[in-house]
Amino acid sequence: GNSVTQMEGPVTLSEEAFLTINCTYTATGYPSLFWYVQYPGEGLQLLLKATKADDKGSNKGFEATYRKETTSFHLEKGSVQVSDSAVYFCALSDRNTGRRALTFGSGTRLQVQP
Amino acid sequence: NAGVTQTPKFQVLKTGQSMTLQCAQDMNHEYMSWYRQDPGMGLRLIHYSVGAGITDQGEVPNGYNVSRSTTEDFPLRLLSAAPSQTSVYFCASSHSGQTNTGELFFGEGSRLTVL
Repeated sequence: GNSVTQMEGPVTLSEEAFLTINCTYTATGYPSLFWYVQYPGEGLQLLLKATKADDKGSNKGFEATYRKETTSFHLEKGSVQVSDSAVYFCALSDRNTGRRALTFGSGTRLQVQP
Repeated sequence: NAGVTQTPKFQVLKTGQSMTLQCAQDMNHEYMSWYRQDPGMGLRLIHYSVGAGITDQGEVPNGYNVSRSTTEDFPLRLLSAAPSQTSVYFCASSHSGQTNTGELFFGEGSRLTVL
């Protein structure tokens, strides 16, 4: 079956530091890949996505590249801000399944200190 | 700009009690779903619906019932609550065409504690 593995958190960084959150996946077929973000007290929001190999998703300074050869979709940001403190979820959608559901990783909490 | 609205936001139940978590969306989305979020386990799909009158089971359906009588509403029922159902529950929706591209819209969550 499908699965998503994320690095465990929390990840604690100082403002303006470089961020990497690792994500690898196992899936049948050719999934689409996503990063969702959950700010404190809120629901999840789509941050970025990539639908095929070598695609790069980007939004709000965050980037992730769909690497089929390493089955990875690592999230990066060059300079984090305190407002980026949140929980980040990597997820995949397998177009071949009838459930039309996403498979989520366990989430990585990011804490950015001023 | 209501989007996906969940009620209640917090609930405490005793073992064996029943309750319904409400979910409503005002975006005319065909697809609606319920997930539960547990520490260290990410989100897991409970039930989903691709339109009014159509529901199906997800990954962890046991102990939960759903129905979809209208496009807007998708309530989740716990008939006899158990401590293992202590969790944060999220409702999510999308247009059918967006579902396979992962663009789900989430509610703010309902935190349930079963004693």
